Amino acid sequence: KNEVEQSPQNLTAQEGEFITINCSYSVGISALHWLQQHPGGGIVSLFMLSSGKKKHGRLIATINIQEKHSSLHITASHPRDSAVYICAVSGGGADGLTFGKGTHLIIQP
Amino acid sequence: DGGITQSPKYLFRKEGQNVTLSCEQNLNHDAMYWYRQDPGQGLRLIYYSQIVNDFQKGDIAEGYSVSREKKESFPLTVTSAQKNPTAFYLCASSPSDLNTEAFFGQGTRLTVV
Repeated sequence: KNEVEQSPQNLTAQEGEFITINCSYSVGISALHWLQQHPGGGIVSLFMLSSGKKKHGRLIATINIQEKHSSLHITASHPRDSAVYICAVSGGGADGLTFGKGTHLIIQP
Repeated sequence: DGGITQSPKYLFRKEGQNVTLSCEQNLNHDAMYWYRQDPGQGLRLIYYSQIVNDFQKGDIAEGYSVSREKKESFPLTVTSAQKNPTAFYLCASSPSDLNTEAFFGQGTRLTVV
């Protein structure tokens, strides 16, 4: 079974800083998802990627399949980016995702 | 707007009672999933369903039951056999399997007293 590790677990930064959250996994995957969970609990899918890099607004996600590693970057961070960011991987089957424990990000004004 | 609706958002039940959590999607997705989230842990899979009238146990299915009588609906029953039912429950769906984008509901926080 895949093991998904995220770092850091907690991150507090000042508004405007460049943020990096890391995710590593132990077994080859078919896709990796970055998710955002706000205090109310609902989860929003930010990215799904299987290779390379994707960008959406101030968010950038990269993946290195050989190294089994992905990063989520936030440029020009803002207090509204404060949330839990979760990395999840799928192995290509239909039995759901394996999740990391999440990174709790706080952006202070 | 298409999406996944979970209800209720908060649910309180007495110990020993069964309780059913609702999950409805209007995205025409084939696959649906139930996850449980506990503090400090990643989400864990309870049950999943790829097609109507078929579902499979996930990693922590004991004490739970599901049904998939309609494509749009995948209710989860937390039975009295679940030893520690207080948790946050999330429903998800995807077009086929999870190599496509996953969509999540807003979750139901269940507290058993």
